[in-house]
Amino acid sequence: TQLLEQSPQFLSIQEGENLTVYCNSSSVFSSLQWYRQEPGEGPVLLVTVVTGGEVKKLKRLTFQFGDARKDSSLHITAAQPGDTGLYLCAGDYGTASKLTFGTGTRLQVTL
Amino acid sequence: DAGITQSPRHKVTETGTPVTLRCHQTENHRYMYWYRQDPGHGLRLIHYSYGVKDTDKGEVSDGYSVSRSKTEDFLLTLESATSSQTSVYFCAISEPGLAGGRTQYFGPGTRLLVL
Repeated sequence: TQLLEQSPQFLSIQEGENLTVYCNSSSVFSSLQWYRQEPGEGPVLLVTVVTGGEVKKLKRLTFQFGDARKDSSLHITAAQPGDTGLYLCAGDYGTASKLTFGTGTRLQVTL
Repeated sequence: DAGITQSPRHKVTETGTPVTLRCHQTENHRYMYWYRQDPGHGLRLIHYSYGVKDTDKGEVSDGYSVSRSKTEDFLLTLESATSSQTSVYFCAISEPGLAGGRTQYFGPGTRLLVL
């Protein structure tokens, strides 16, 4: 069973601060996805990264895929209360399109 | 929105009773998945399907069975519900991502309480 370690588990910050969430594995991913989930809803895809070293930006969110395709990070600049939620990384190991999910980072951004 | 609906959205049942959850999709996706989500465990794969009548086990399949007789429907059955199966259940489909790989899209979830 492939494992995905996500850190930190919880993060409480004030509006305007920056933060980084990490996702690490000992296995190589064929692709990695980041999702955000709000209470009472299913996860919603934020981004997919496929190429080692790839960096993608989505407004104030920056996603990086490690050169060896074993780790990824999500950086949020100038966090806003609307960024509050559960952030999940998920690795695609290329078998039957199954994903292995990290345990998630619960982010709370206060005014 | 990948056209995924789940029913029921909420259910309370008693230990030992059978329960069936339904996932319905309208866009002819080949791959479908059932996950459960519990605090501290994230999302864990229960079963998945790669076509009509083609299913396989995930990492937490004990106590669960699935069926897929039509492309659009993927059913998850708890033959005899236990309190440890109290959870939120999500159905998902996957399709090729614009950036490569495959992307999964999730339904709204079913919250199940086993008393």
